[in-house]
Amino acid sequence: QKEVEQNSGPLSVPEGAIASLNCTYSDRVSQSFFWYRQYSGKSPELIMSIYSNGDKEDGRFTAQLNKASQYVSLLIRDSQPSDSATYLCAVNGIQGAQKLVFGQGTRLTINP
Amino acid sequence: SAVISQKPSRDICQRGTSLTIQCQVDSQVTMMFWYRQQPGQSLTLIATANQGSEATYESGFVIDKFPISRPNLTFSTLTVSNMSPEDSSIYLCSVVGSNEQFFGPGTRLTVL
Repeated sequence: QKEVEQNSGPLSVPEGAIASLNCTYSDRVSQSFFWYRQYSGKSPELIMSIYSNGDKEDGRFTAQLNKASQYVSLLIRDSQPSDSATYLCAVNGIQGAQKLVFGQGTRLTINP
Repeated sequence: SAVISQKPSRDICQRGTSLTIQCQVDSQVTMMFWYRQQPGQSLTLIATANQGSEATYESGFVIDKFPISRPNLTFSTLTVSNMSPEDSSIYLCSVVGSNEQFFGPGTRLTVL
């Protein structure tokens, strides 16, 4: 059984600072990693996908993957109050997004 | 990404009854999934909806409780049968496109 672990938070960050969200996974053969953002009462929205070791940047978001340490993170630069949401880490054992296993999510609050 | 709609968006049901949730996608997709998100929890995969064949259920979920139909490549239904208060959750359908998974808006079910 694959497991995905996240710090449930809540994580509180001042506006303009960097928010760092972390995720570890237990299945060494995992190949695909995703970060979703979920606002209260809404469905998850895909923010980032990452498949290779290293960093992947998209605007204010950077995903970092270290397969040796079984660790994936999401950095949000210049945090805005609109970034306040629950962030879900999701992992798949094969290339692509089939049958994702989700972490419990980290609740992030950006304080103005 | 595909546009996904679900009906109903929310419902309040009596225990012992059944509810069928519809998921419609604006383009043909091969892979379609159903998830459950219990209050304050993360997402758990219920089953993969296979077009033209029986759904594939995850551990802990059975066809008698959650029958699924997938008559074509743009539509699926999930029925929650013989409901109890423990079935109160958000039910989400999702599709895979370009190796990424996208979620519908969800159906918020409350069982009294």
